[in-house]
Amino acid sequence: EAGVAQSPRYKIIEKRQSVAFWCNPISGHATLYWYQQILGQGPKLLIQFQNNGVVDDSQLPKDRFSAERLKGVDSTLKIQPAKLEDSAVYLCASSPTSRKNAYEQYFGPGTRLTVT
Amino acid sequence: AQRVTQPEKLLSVFKGAPVELKCNYSYSGSPELFWYVQYSRQRLQLLLRHISRESIKGFTADLNKGETSFHLKKPFAQEEDSAMYYCALKGRGSTLGRLYFGRGTQLTVWP
Repeated sequence: EAGVAQSPRYKIIEKRQSVAFWCNPISGHATLYWYQQILGQGPKLLIQFQNNGVVDDSQLPKDRFSAERLKGVDSTLKIQPAKLEDSAVYLCASSPTSRKNAYEQYFGPGTRLTVT
Repeated sequence: AQRVTQPEKLLSVFKGAPVELKCNYSYSGSPELFWYVQYSRQRLQLLLRHISRESIKGFTADLNKGETSFHLKKPFAQEEDSAMYYCALKGRGSTLGRLYFGRGTQLTVWP
């Protein structure tokens, strides 16, 4: 089966500009996650969707970050305006719907964002 | 608070030597712990989970609740084991599904 797809793979923007990332999860996976991975650190969850509803966005900086998953499939993550500290790899992951396998998350290749 | 600590940022061993990647956690209750691996130019992927008590690619990990540890071990390291390894803890309750990752350990296996 096809894996989690993300685009773009790389993005360079200036501070105060806006940027959007796109994610297409594995077909049939109801749960979708966005992680931020700053250099030298492990991934940190930003937001978790169950179908098109938000389950957990407690660590999302809502003054500048937003995310949506309108039809319960694809998702977009937006940063507006970007700050230098937003430079990171943004990872999208999805997981199966059954509770037994809910812990296994499948990751996309990530989008490397550089804010100058 | 839920937290995962990987004390070693870098770890180097020679091929055939034993390897142990350390992971300590902070969690109240019964934790669910995982090891994820990222090989060069590949995606982050699940290596193993403690509840299945399995050996994957020769790696094992035992949960020690007394020491709050979940160290990853392999008796004879191979060059293809060189990768970034992340220990992760699964949240419960309101944070169900969320994975808390350690900062990772870069393992290099020399020939």
